Amino acid sequence: AQTVTQSQPEMSVQEAETVTLSCTYDTSENNYYLFWYKQPPSRQMILVIRQEAYKQQNATENRFSVNFQKAAKSFSLKISDSQLGDTAMYFCAFMKPENTGNQFYFGTGTSLTVIP
Amino acid sequence: DAGVIQSPRHEVTEMGQEVTLRCKPISGHDYLFWYRQTMMRGLELLIYFNNNVPIDDSGMPEDRFSAKMPNASFSTLKIQPSEPRDSAVYFCASSFRRGRLDTQYFGPGTRLTVL
Repeated sequence: AQTVTQSQPEMSVQEAETVTLSCTYDTSENNYYLFWYKQPPSRQMILVIRQEAYKQQNATENRFSVNFQKAAKSFSLKISDSQLGDTAMYFCAFMKPENTGNQFYFGTGTSLTVIP
Repeated sequence: DAGVIQSPRHEVTEMGQEVTLRCKPISGHDYLFWYRQTMMRGLELLIYFNNNVPIDDSGMPEDRFSAKMPNASFSTLKIQPSEPRDSAVYFCASSFRRGRLDTQYFGPGTRLTVL
C-alpha cells in the first residue's frame, strides 16, 4: 500500500520569504504522479503543482517549485516570495494510474501561515 | 463549466438522524470520488465510481455509510444513522481519464457537524 507522510503539521513564514514544505511517500510502484494541493479557508482544494515520476526535471509553477528526489521518495514544495494569500492547508498527494481508475493517497496536510 | 457542485455547504444535525450529501460532477467526467477530511486522518478516499458504477468502496468506514450514483450528473453520500464522530468535511471530486495526465477536480466540500 502507498503512504504519504507530511511531518510538519504547522509552519509559518514571513511575507516575501521562502518556505519549504516536506513530503515523503512509500511505494513499490515505478510509474506514478505526485501533487501538491492547496486548501484555503474556503475549503476548496486547488491543484498547485504536479510532477510525473518519470520526469527528472523538477516541476515549477510561477512561485511554486518542487524538489523531487525519486530514490529518496521525497517531494518537497518550495514557495518563493510568500504572499498572504498563500496561507492555507497544503496536501501532498500520490497518484497511481490503474486501468480501473486513478487512486489518490493524501498526506495529513501542513497548515501554512504567512505572517505580514 | 461551474466545476464540481456540492450541497449543502454546511449541515448540522443531531446524532441518529439521516444525512444526505449531494454532488454534481463536471459534465463529461466519468470518474467521481467521495472523500472525508478530518484533522486527525487528513483526506481519506471513501468510494469512487466509474461511469456511475461503484469501483472501490473499501474506504467506506462502516455500513452506516452508503453512496449512489443514479446517473452521470448526480451522486449522493448518505449516513444513517449519523454519529458525532462523522463530523468532518466531505469532498466530492470528478475526473476524466485522458491519457495519464488526468487530475481530480474537487468541489467546495460539505462541512458536517453531528451533535
